[in-house]
Amino acid sequence: ETGVTQTPRHLVMGMTNKKSLKCEQHLGHNAMYWYKQSAKKPLELMFVYSLEERVENNSVPSRFSPECPNSSHLFLHLHTLQPEDSALYLCASSPILGDNNEQFFGPGTRLTVL
Amino acid sequence: AQSVTQLDSQVPVFEEAPVELRCNYSSSVSVYLFWYVQYPNQGLQLLLKYLSGSTLVKGINGFEAEFNKSQTSFHLRKPSVHISDTAEYFCAVRGEGGADGLTFGKGTHLIIQP
Repeated sequence: ETGVTQTPRHLVMGMTNKKSLKCEQHLGHNAMYWYKQSAKKPLELMFVYSLEERVENNSVPSRFSPECPNSSHLFLHLHTLQPEDSALYLCASSPILGDNNEQFFGPGTRLTVL
Repeated sequence: AQSVTQLDSQVPVFEEAPVELRCNYSSSVSVYLFWYVQYPNQGLQLLLKYLSGSTLVKGINGFEAEFNKSQTSFHLRKPSVHISDTAEYFCAVRGEGGADGLTFGKGTHLIIQP
């Protein structure tokens, strides 16, 4: 497995469910990111982690809870979501935090909240 | 804070014709600029980036972009497109010394017609 992988690729959940999205990077990077991609809207940065420490939280509702147990894995725990949370959730990684670092993206998890 | 404007949500082009996808940005600091491509059901892939130096940047798949500071633009061009170039194209910016996440435009859907 190479690059950035995300599981599951598709997820349908009810508003009362609890689920988790998983991201794994095999690039030896130290920084990881969660983005939300909704239809007709720009990608929105949700969370940034560097060396397992959260360095940015862009006013994301508490029903989204990130976890970074090590520099290779990033989770997004979901609970009591709303239908408007349906979107493509993209994970990315970069070698380190820094101005000119390219971010490498995973294929995303398509989330549908019923 | 930065913002990115991609004025064209959709650009239809005939195969082997040239194409230009427009991107304008606003920022109070120096910026780093990126173009990403997203093929159906895939994550984002970096096409090219401008960090400093020459304002004409060449990327993968025959794409290039020109940074114009006075017009705050970073338009993407390709002299001859192929059916396989059908995808969503995103312009992104990061401000120097700012938050580490990227600020994205809404994307332009490039449609190649045979």
